[in-house]
Amino acid sequence: QSVLTQPPSVSGAPGQRVTISCTGSSSNIGAGFDVHWYQQLPGTAPKLLIYRNSNRPSGVPDRFSGSKSGTSASLAITGLQAEDEADYYCQSYDINLSHSKVFGGGTKLTVL
Amino acid sequence: QVQLQESGPGLVKPSETLSLTCSVSDYSISGGFYWGWIRQPPGKGLEWIGSFYPGGTTYYNPSLKSRVTISVDTSKNQFSLRLNSVTAADTAVYYCAREPYSSSTNWFDPWGQGTLVTVSS
Repeated sequence: QSVLTQPPSVSGAPGQRVTISCTGSSSNIGAGFDVHWYQQLPGTAPKLLIYRNSNRPSGVPDRFSGSKSGTSASLAITGLQAEDEADYYCQSYDINLSHSKVFGGGTKLTVL
Repeated sequence: QVQLQESGPGLVKPSETLSLTCSVSDYSISGGFYWGWIRQPPGKGLEWIGSFYPGGTTYYNPSLKSRVTISVDTSKNQFSLRLNSVTAADTAVYYCAREPYSSSTNWFDPWGQGTLVTVSS
């Protein structure tokens, strides 16, 4: 059971917009800690997609955006493309777990 | 551009010690970042193992703390992971990563390619 809760799967057709939620609590996201997002393509290592809630590293398309409010965060992907099919993970920090870095359980994005 | 590469045995017997090394190239480990280990059991999600700041504190996942040691060799620009008393539940792909940080949290970027470690007799 992950400290951060993500939907196991989401799907969308090419060109559509999808969102992936990451729900935490008052000991992590709600405590003001930043949320980061990673994309893991099949058979590869995770790659940083969004850092500090809404910042994109260089090279990440602006189709990817992040937001945070209260005890939750969201990743939005617009103009869905076939190559976006991957697993997505959120990550934050939890004060109840001895300053642990914590991940969401991951969300499988399927492009229909 | 910084690159990280994990290395070590791909097969470890139950109750023995898992040992991995992360070799860092094109960036000094002492250059002002945290560094960490993360693992991913086959078909499952990511789990943070531990992190350190060279010359500073090392932090461990409380669920693994009694069995884990992370050490650094700055002369070789490498850091290592040791996990004692392994069981089949420790079978996973193990990743090392650099950790940029802010006043709020750290994040992982970039990651090594990962190495699969299987615990089996």
